[in-house]
Amino acid sequence: DIQMTQSPSSLSASVGDRVTITCRASQSIATFLNWYQQKPGKAPKLLIFAASSLQSGVPSRFSGSGSGTDFTLTISSLQPEDFATYYCQQSYSNLQFSFGPGTKVEIK
Amino acid sequence: EVHLVESGGGLAQPGRSLRLSCAASGFTFDDYAVHWVRQPPGKGLEWVSSINWNSGSLAYGDSVKGRFTISRDNAKNSFFLQMNSLRPDDTAFYYCAKSGHSPQLVQGDWFDSWGQGTLVIVSS
Repeated sequence: DIQMTQSPSSLSASVGDRVTITCRASQSIATFLNWYQQKPGKAPKLLIFAASSLQSGVPSRFSGSGSGTDFTLTISSLQPEDFATYYCQQSYSNLQFSFGPGTKVEIK
Repeated sequence: EVHLVESGGGLAQPGRSLRLSCAASGFTFDDYAVHWVRQPPGKGLEWVSSINWNSGSLAYGDSVKGRFTISRDNAKNSFFLQMNSLRPDDTAFYYCAKSGHSPQLVQGDWFDSWGQGTLVIVSS
C-alpha cells in the first residue's frame, strides 16, 4: 500500500504570509496527487487535482507542484478564510485512494 | 448543482450492523464512480470504499475489507455502505463523495463533491 506523509503537522501563520505544505508518498505516484481543504464541522473541499490543476472556483493564491514522491501546496498570501486543515490524497492506485494525515493551519 | 446527502448514521452496538445511504442529485449519476470516506472525531480522513458506475468494480480499505459492502442503485440515484461486524474503531463521520471525472475506478481520479457527513457511533 502507498503511505502518505505530510509536514508540518501544524503551523501558525499570519494573514498575508506565504505558506507551504509538503506531502510525501512512500513510492512514486507520478502526478496522481490531490489536495483538499477542510474547515471544522464541514466536509472536505477539493482544491488541487493532478498535483497542479486548480479546481474550478478555487482562488488562484492556491497552487500545487511536484511529481514522483514529493509534492507541495502553496498559499501565496494567506487569507482569514484559509485557516483550516489540508490533506493530500494519492490516486496512483485506483483501488486505494489513501490520504495524508493532514496539516492544520492556525492563526499566529 | 451537485448535491450529496448521507443518511443512516446513528448508534450501534459492537458486532451489529448499520446501512448508510447517499442520495445524489444535480448530475448524471451513472456517469461517475462514487466513494465513501470516513473521519473519526478529531482525526484525519480515511478512504473507505469505492464503486464504479455499473457496480462491476469495487474497492475497499484494509480496515473494512470483509466487513463492509458498497453498492449502488442507479435507478434511484443512490449508493450505500452496508457495515457489518461493527467495531468501536469504526466510530466516525462518514462522507459520500463523487468522482471528479470518471465512471470507472481509475488512476488519477479525485473527489470533487462531498456530502455533509453522517455520524456513526459504535459503543455498548
